[in-house]
Amino acid sequence: RKEVEQDPGPFNVPEGATVAFNCTYSNSASQSFFWYRQDCRKEPKLLMSVYSSGNEDGRFTAQLNRASQYISLLIRDSKLSDSATYLCAGYSGYSTLTFGKGTMLLVSP
Amino acid sequence: SQTIHQWPATLVQPVGSPLSLECTVEGTSNPNLYWYRQAAGRGLQLLFYSVGIGQISSEVPQNLSASRPQDRQFILSSKKLLLSDSGFYLCAWTMDRGELFFGEGSRLTVL
Repeated sequence: RKEVEQDPGPFNVPEGATVAFNCTYSNSASQSFFWYRQDCRKEPKLLMSVYSSGNEDGRFTAQLNRASQYISLLIRDSKLSDSATYLCAGYSGYSTLTFGKGTMLLVSP
Repeated sequence: SQTIHQWPATLVQPVGSPLSLECTVEGTSNPNLYWYRQAAGRGLQLLFYSVGIGQISSEVPQNLSASRPQDRQFILSSKKLLLSDSGFYLCAWTMDRGELFFGEGSRLTVL
């Protein structure tokens, strides 16, 4: 079983919609989690960090469910500029992050 | 503020040729440094990481090597490239807690 798994998508949503992605992890020792945004042919950029139960930043909300071993990312009022691939990553404290393969989001007018 | 620089941005190399990718971090001391590769349609694969000068941990056995000659410099090398080495190479750094910050990447095409 892969350590971090994501639905590759793509998720096609209209502008203004609310969309949620889930990410499951298998390593119960994972201490913290991160959501990254990656635009086509660009480097991943840190979007949100999740150290406890959740985090909120404007239109973006991340939640952690340790019992079920998943992290979610909720995007409200989607913008065209939100179109990107969203990567989930888990940190188990051994100096390395493990990434999922990403979920592609396409927001249309 | 901290910045990370990576070069070259793009390169096309023949099979069997050598490779050298460089990465430097500014504005911090003793960072953890990483090399990842992202092949087309695939996820980020950790290649090497370093917690200090001269300390290199390899995650995937292959024909690549890494070196850290200075605190904020990380180099990825190969003596002879293979077709399968093509991909998007990303250098990254972190101080603690796992938050990684990536360089702009080096896109390698091996022909």
